[in-house]
Amino acid sequence: KAGVTQTPRYLIKTRGQQVTLSCSPISGHRSVSWYQQTPGQGLQFLFEYFSETQRNKGNFPGRFSGRQFSNSRSEMNVSTLELGDSALYLCASSLEGTGAYNEQFFGPGTRLTVL
Amino acid sequence: AQSVTQLDSQVPVFEEAPVELRCNYSSSVSVYLFWYVQYPNQGLQLLLKYLSGSTLVKGINGFEAEFNKSQTSFHLRKPSVHISDTAEYFCAVSGGNQGGKLIFGQGTELSVKP
Repeated sequence: KAGVTQTPRYLIKTRGQQVTLSCSPISGHRSVSWYQQTPGQGLQFLFEYFSETQRNKGNFPGRFSGRQFSNSRSEMNVSTLELGDSALYLCASSLEGTGAYNEQFFGPGTRLTVL
Repeated sequence: AQSVTQLDSQVPVFEEAPVELRCNYSSSVSVYLFWYVQYPNQGLQLLLKYLSGSTLVKGINGFEAEFNKSQTSFHLRKPSVHISDTAEYFCAVSGGNQGGKLIFGQGTELSVKP
């Protein structure tokens, strides 16, 4: 089975632009979560989608948004980029979205650099 | 609210020596606990998890961890490390009404020297 794939792997943008990152979960997985990883803040939860609905949301400004499609693929969008948005964005998928535990499988991440 | 503290940001160790990476958590509800490993330029890989039952859990690559509820700890151990264990290790917690959301510690960089 193919793992979680994320595209693109690397991205360079300038301040004020917007960006869209894509995540394809493992086949059959219905839940997709997004995390931001930075040296200063570590790994922080952005949001989780299950069956095209946002189930959970972290403490990020409204510039960060996401969506999930009927085939479970997910995208996240960041508008009006700031220098502090430079980070590794990780996507994780799991079989179900209900309950407190479902093993999450992580993709390799998208490295976003904002200049 | 849940939180995770990894007590050491960097742990240098010689090859074939034992290692312990420390993790403490706080939560007002029962939790699930995890250790993930991240190699350079890669995503996170699950090493092991504690859901319930035996407090000593064994994972991949010879790692094990012990859940201690009274000390709210979940330390990761390996009796003999290899150069290939050099990576960053993250302790994480989920549970309660958080759904699948993982709360991570700040990470411990394990550096294995020959």
